[in-house]
Amino acid sequence: QKEVEQNSGPLSVPEGAIASLNCTYSDRVSQSFFWYRQYSGKSPELIMSIYSNGDKEDGRFTAQLNKASQYVSLLIRDSQPSDSATYLCAVNRIQGAQKLVFGQGTRLTINP
Amino acid sequence: EPEVTQTPSHQVTQMGQEVILRCVPISNHLYFYWYRQILGQKVEFLVSFYNNEISEKSEIFDDQFSVERPDGSNFTLKIRSTKLEDSAMYFCASSVAWGTVYEQYFGPGTRLTVT
Repeated sequence: QKEVEQNSGPLSVPEGAIASLNCTYSDRVSQSFFWYRQYSGKSPELIMSIYSNGDKEDGRFTAQLNKASQYVSLLIRDSQPSDSATYLCAVNRIQGAQKLVFGQGTRLTINP
Repeated sequence: EPEVTQTPSHQVTQMGQEVILRCVPISNHLYFYWYRQILGQKVEFLVSFYNNEISEKSEIFDDQFSVERPDGSNFTLKIRSTKLEDSAMYFCASSVAWGTVYEQYFGPGTRLTVT
């Protein structure tokens, strides 16, 4: 079983709609969860972090965490063509400055 | 806005040679990391560094690799005797602790090509 699993996509969403990206993780003791955006040929860019069960909103982005189900998601409202990118889910197993374990990423395409 | 910087952006080397990849973390960050991403694959952790010593390393980070903070601003990754399979994007990242939160910010990367 992969440590962090994401649907590789591609996920196509019309402009203005809500894009929903999902991630599951295998290690129950995981503490911190992050969403990064990666444009082709570029580095990961931190979008959201979440540590507690529930929702966390930042502008058009909402991260959702359910530790019981070992599930984290990212919603993008009012999707724009500039949101087209690969979205990486990353998990930190323990509290502290240790490694992030990344999923394979979901490729998102927003269609004008 | 402060950023992590990396040099060079692209490094081409011959198999067996040594390379040094350089990073300047964000100035008030205390935790530093190296990750790599082979083309088409996921981002993989190599090593984390704090207080002038390695705090964690992956199985990938064997004796071929070393890290150093030679001065107050630079953080380097040395790869000795490079192999074809070392070809990848290498990302430096840094973080600062907010309580128990360690959000990692990535630099633009160095593309290493081993021929």
